[in-house]
Amino acid sequence: EVQLVESGGGLVQPGGSLRLSCAASGFTVSGYDIHWVRQATGKGLEWVSGIGRGGDKYYVDSVKGRFTVSREKATNSLYLQMNSLRADDTAVYFCARVNPGMSAFDIWGQGTVLTVSS
Amino acid sequence: QSVLTQPPSVSAAPGQKVTISCSGSSSNIGNNYVSWYQQVPGTAPKLLIYENNKGPSGIPDRFSGSKSGTSATLSISGLQTGDEADYYCGAWDSSLSSMLFGAGTKLTIL
Repeated sequence: EVQLVESGGGLVQPGGSLRLSCAASGFTVSGYDIHWVRQATGKGLEWVSGIGRGGDKYYVDSVKGRFTVSREKATNSLYLQMNSLRADDTAVYFCARVNPGMSAFDIWGQGTVLTVSS
Repeated sequence: QSVLTQPPSVSAAPGQKVTISCSGSSSNIGNNYVSWYQQVPGTAPKLLIYENNKGPSGIPDRFSGSKSGTSATLSISGLQTGDEADYYCGAWDSSLSSMLFGAGTKLTIL
């Protein structure tokens, strides 16, 4: 079955760091563009970051210099290293796969919750 | 503040049709594909429409999409109570090198 499973969320103090993981099954992460999308409670979807098949990386302005996206063949996973966390980073974080034949996010994980609070 | 503009809410009775608009600019909708997603609160988004007007396998043809210039529209016909959800449009922005989503439209079935 093709799926994505996020993990690594939790409670972090402002200024702290955390790494989110997104484990893929049924396909190889290196063969697809995969992105992170977040959603604060009661708010809409916000694109955060993405990594292309060729390794190019993209970030929304609000996380540039603080977040780093990466992937690992051995674990077939995507990661989001988040540093200098702020209260407004609090959200559910989803990873989502871009189907190249659709130019859209066709597979989404269930999400992992990050809370930044003292 | 979203660069893609959607109405906050729409409503209609079962069996009727609704349309949800999504307005952008030449750097996003105008020159890139639009996709639409359905999200029931507490669950992950689900792809409804890709490449402006195509439906993935398993999506009823009651859901359709269109694009004209820098605007796109999602239409839902034969409304069912199960269609009550939030709907988001999305498009890549070539100038920002970022994916953009609209703020979402809440569909209420009366």
